[in-house]
Amino acid sequence: GAVVSQHPSRVICKSGTSVKIECRSLDFQATTMFWYRQFPKQSLMLMATSNEGSKATYEQGVEKDKFLINHASLTLSTLTVTSAHPEDSSFYICSARGGLPVTEQFFGPGTRLTVL
Amino acid sequence: DAKTTQPTSMDCAEGRAANLPCNHSTISGNEYVYWYRQIHSQGPQYIIHGLKNNETNEMASLIITEDRKSSTLILPHATLRDTAVYYCIVRVASRGTYKYIFGTGTRLKVLA
Repeated sequence: GAVVSQHPSRVICKSGTSVKIECRSLDFQATTMFWYRQFPKQSLMLMATSNEGSKATYEQGVEKDKFLINHASLTLSTLTVTSAHPEDSSFYICSARGGLPVTEQFFGPGTRLTVL
Repeated sequence: DAKTTQPTSMDCAEGRAANLPCNHSTISGNEYVYWYRQIHSQGPQYIIHGLKNNETNEMASLIITEDRKSSTLILPHATLRDTAVYYCIVRVASRGTYKYIFGTGTRLKVLA
């Protein structure tokens, strides 16, 4: 149980275009979803937290107009990287957490974004 | 706002116990310690978590010092498939929910 999927697994796009990444909880309802970014050989950095039906809460230094997050249902959250630039190239990972008593986050497999 | 420090890398012989340390000297009384591992280019996998008591499950044991300023993850019989980056995480309360603060991770290499 507790499977989280992401789509696509890998995407290459041109500079200036927008890219949407989907995160789905397959076998549980995710009250909260999280988006992380990971640069090569570095740790995961939290970008934002989203609760279903609410606006996302962004971490300091993360541009909310550039990284649009939508959490429209209890099983789906999307991250849209708008006007992508080469410096946005990274590994984007989502995680999801259901309700108590389970407290841990379950992570998706990640999406590798390359902006040319 | 890193709350944990870990050694950058460790080696362990196959079949032996792997002991991965983590310092979290600024942890608050109600903040949990979580451990995950990440195999190359995949999402992190949950291992174990605890608050102040030692914990054990089918994957590992977690030993937390009495003052809660450090902890050790123990993989009792390491296999080659345990080669991964292991993250020690503090879970903090933030704006009505809980979020993870990841450490820098320890790259564990299990040697045949």
